[in-house]
Amino acid sequence: DAKTTQPTSMDCAEGRAANLPCNHSTISGNEYVYWYRQIHSQGPQYIIHGLKNNETNEMASLIITEDRKSSTLILPHATLRDTAVYYCMMNAGNMLTFGGGTRLMVKP
Amino acid sequence: GAVVSQHPSRVICKSGTSVKIECRSLDFQATTMFWYRQFPKQSLMLMATSNEGSKATYEQGVEKDKFLINHASLTLSTLTVTSAHPEDSSFYICSARDRVTNSPLHFGNGTRLTVT
Repeated sequence: DAKTTQPTSMDCAEGRAANLPCNHSTISGNEYVYWYRQIHSQGPQYIIHGLKNNETNEMASLIITEDRKSSTLILPHATLRDTAVYYCMMNAGNMLTFGGGTRLMVKP
Repeated sequence: GAVVSQHPSRVICKSGTSVKIECRSLDFQATTMFWYRQFPKQSLMLMATSNEGSKATYEQGVEKDKFLINHASLTLSTLTVTSAHPEDSSFYICSARDRVTNSPLHFGNGTRLTVT
């Protein structure tokens, strides 16, 4: 699986949009971009995934650059419950390999 | 939506004993399940891939005789930590994907193992 690079931590004000970047410059053509988050002492929670088009669901939006070398996860109106570690991963098959992720702190 | 259930959520055992952790896919069938381990302040590390009806595939450095995996049905995989030691204390998490819909991997809520 391709390696991803994410900032170690980010802060966001409650109610504002949280934009979490991810670099995946070595992504191959058949690899999807996946985002998960892990709230303390829980299992990872699926957020969204995409191949090359931008995606939106009830949780977030995923913006993938045209060259697919980076992406941004957008939480449009962050709440305190969105405080978690967010993982960006590449996957072409079954397995997911976790990097360090971004620790997002949503502050009142 | 797809739900993965893990049991127990928390277990404390004495050194030298064995502990079994169950991972169930509640509303879908999973040919393959994955077992991860997470130490404090670290990311998840894949331990092994559990294959229904065949032997598990272990990642480098993971002892297969210590971490026994059984995937006897399409909805259940078990991880047994044999002769547990304090250094095996960790957060163990399983995951699975619906083989029919090829949905994203879904994770259980983890099992926190403490070996005293």
